[in-house]
Amino acid sequence: DIQMTQSPSTLSANVGDRVTITCRASQSFVDWVAWYQQKPGKAPKLLIYKASTLESGVPSRFSGSGSGTEFSLTISSLQPDDFAMYYCQQYTGYPWTFGQGTKVEIK
Amino acid sequence: QVQLQESGPGLVKPSETLSLTCTVSGGSIGSYWSWIRQPPGRGLEWIGYVYNSGSTYYNPSLKSRVTISVDTSKNQLSLMLTSVTAADTATYYCAKDKNGGAFDYWGQGALVTVSS
Repeated sequence: DIQMTQSPSTLSANVGDRVTITCRASQSFVDWVAWYQQKPGKAPKLLIYKASTLESGVPSRFSGSGSGTEFSLTISSLQPDDFAMYYCQQYTGYPWTFGQGTKVEIK
Repeated sequence: QVQLQESGPGLVKPSETLSLTCTVSGGSIGSYWSWIRQPPGRGLEWIGYVYNSGSTYYNPSLKSRVTISVDTSKNQLSLMLTSVTAADTATYYCAKDKNGGAFDYWGQGALVTVSS
């Protein structure tokens, strides 16, 4: 299985901050990566797919980048609605796997 | 707007079979559909997918116990997980595949507790 290791596990930040979450794949040549936001009691919401393509309707402050084994999700200016859990997911190789999650909390 | 709704028993006894249904509305069932689960307070695990032709792929970690099927006449997909234990306690989500593995539409989730 391709393991996706997210860092940090928890990120404390202020409104307006630029934040970056990183996901490292255990194998090379991972191309297909998605990022999700999840709020308590809710289903995950797709933010980014194919590593860097913004899902329709998602604010442009969210962006994704990376290739190979290193991927990142950046929020350019953190908004109150952005405090949540974030997960990366690879769908290059079976079984599709998720990172363990990053909690973005208010500093 | 595609909507997904999971339904099924919220409590299953150990060693029995977990069965859930996902009803799809507002769009065609002509796509890949996955089941994903999330134990309380933990991360996400992909269980497997079904295509509207009936072809499937399962996570090897669950393959021996899982069956996913689709009923195109009812716009429904289903999940069966046999011989459940407490480790199978989770919120189970059905989700639509956007482009080969990213999930753009999700159900609200169904919490299934395995307990006697």
